[in-house]
Amino acid sequence: EAAVTQSPRNKVAVTGGKVTLSCNQTNNHNNMYWYRQDTGHGLRLIHYSYGAGSTEKGDIPDGYKASRPSQENFSLILELATPSQTSVYFCASGDAGGNTLYFGAGTRLSVL
Amino acid sequence: GDSVTQKEGLVTLTEGLPVMLNCTYQTIYSNAFLFWYVHYLNESPRLLLKSSTDNKRTEHQGFHATLHKSSSSFHLQKSSAQLSDSALYYCALSDQAGNTGKLIFGLGTTLQVQP
Repeated sequence: EAAVTQSPRNKVAVTGGKVTLSCNQTNNHNNMYWYRQDTGHGLRLIHYSYGAGSTEKGDIPDGYKASRPSQENFSLILELATPSQTSVYFCASGDAGGNTLYFGAGTRLSVL
Repeated sequence: GDSVTQKEGLVTLTEGLPVMLNCTYQTIYSNAFLFWYVHYLNESPRLLLKSSTDNKRTEHQGFHATLHKSSSSFHLQKSSAQLSDSALYYCALSDQAGNTGKLIFGLGTTLQVQP
């Protein structure tokens, strides 16, 4: 069974609307990550977290917020969605120090 | 800062031919981990190989890679491509600054294997 679960799997949003992407992990990992995948850019880190209550900015945090209310859950929030945020978003969990990241199946977001 | 370079965006091969996907990296940390992740269509990206040991061959599922710190390379190879190998392959470097567990990904190489 999937250890990192993302919801929704697909989302269509309107420009200026609020979007929340959710991620749940059962790996009991301390760290969780949100990446976006775009052709020509690879996987880019948006936000990450070391544990419940913590969020850190990644490489491209502008326009995004994150929330880690518990060890298992990590959300990505787009307060005012823009068409440039149309992408595929991946959540991952892992531990520090060169360990493997485990990815969810992705959320395909279209902002119209 | 740290970076990963995958020069080929697309590699197209005929089934049965050898595979080599290039990956070079830059880091100041001698203990960095290098990874290859594979992303099949409609699936989650998942780990294929990883290594932090200089000049040691790492193998998994028919693929292999050797970390060469002298040339900062971690090329992915397979002796004979299969149709099922068609996927997006990412090389990644562990971000050793602050031990965050973050990975720095290359742009990815799409491997298309044709009959």
